[in-house]
Amino acid sequence: DVQLVESGGGLVQPGGSLTLSCSASGSTISPYTMNWVRQAPGKGLEWVSAISSTSIYMYYADSVEGRFTISRDNAKNSVYLQLDSLRAEDSAVYYCTRDLTEGIGGNWFDPWGQGTLVTVSS
Amino acid sequence: QSVLTQPPSVSAAPGQKVTISCSGSISNILNNDVSWYQQFPGTAPKLLIYGNDKRPSGIPDRFSGSKSGTSATLDIAGLQTGDEAVYYCGTWDSTPNDGVFGGGTQLTV
Repeated sequence: DVQLVESGGGLVQPGGSLTLSCSASGSTISPYTMNWVRQAPGKGLEWVSAISSTSIYMYYADSVEGRFTISRDNAKNSVYLQLDSLRAEDSAVYYCTRDLTEGIGGNWFDPWGQGTLVTVSS
Repeated sequence: QSVLTQPPSVSAAPGQKVTISCSGSISNILNNDVSWYQQFPGTAPKLLIYGNDKRPSGIPDRFSGSKSGTSATLDIAGLQTGDEAVYYCGTWDSTPNDGVFGGGTQLTV
């Protein structure tokens, strides 16, 4: 089955940018909607963004709309999240996950990557 | 403040059964399927239940889910100390087209 590995996290100053990558192996993610979910330290899960299989549909949480951009490259079996204008409250572990729901607009997330930590601090 | 409401914590003795509730609204739980996730400290969440009441391969039948109206529940029977974890419900919210999660419930056995 598919394995997901996130990368690209790190320490960034407020107002800075990062690009997170999610690389899939074991099987193709091209038929599936892919999502990013984040978890601030000691907090619960927060859905961030979703992108449909052919990139026609992209949705964002209000908290990141206009600052984050989701994209994918099915040829590379990868998904990306561009984080701009970062704020302290964006500090979190960012997980990539596949949605097995048919179409977009579901919450059948399996599997999840191990996550990549983003810390926004001066 | 999470869109879906879960109790912060539940507890029960080994061998007992516990129920975790998840309350939402028309735009999310009523009109979309609910999933449940289990998360141990320092690890990624794991899918426990999808489509309201379906178990992925490998999930014991001690775990069961249901949905009625704008609420969903996760039942865990025959509790084991290894079940101690945080449990999250999740679904899609058709207005405004967002994924949503509950705040999580810490299970103590």
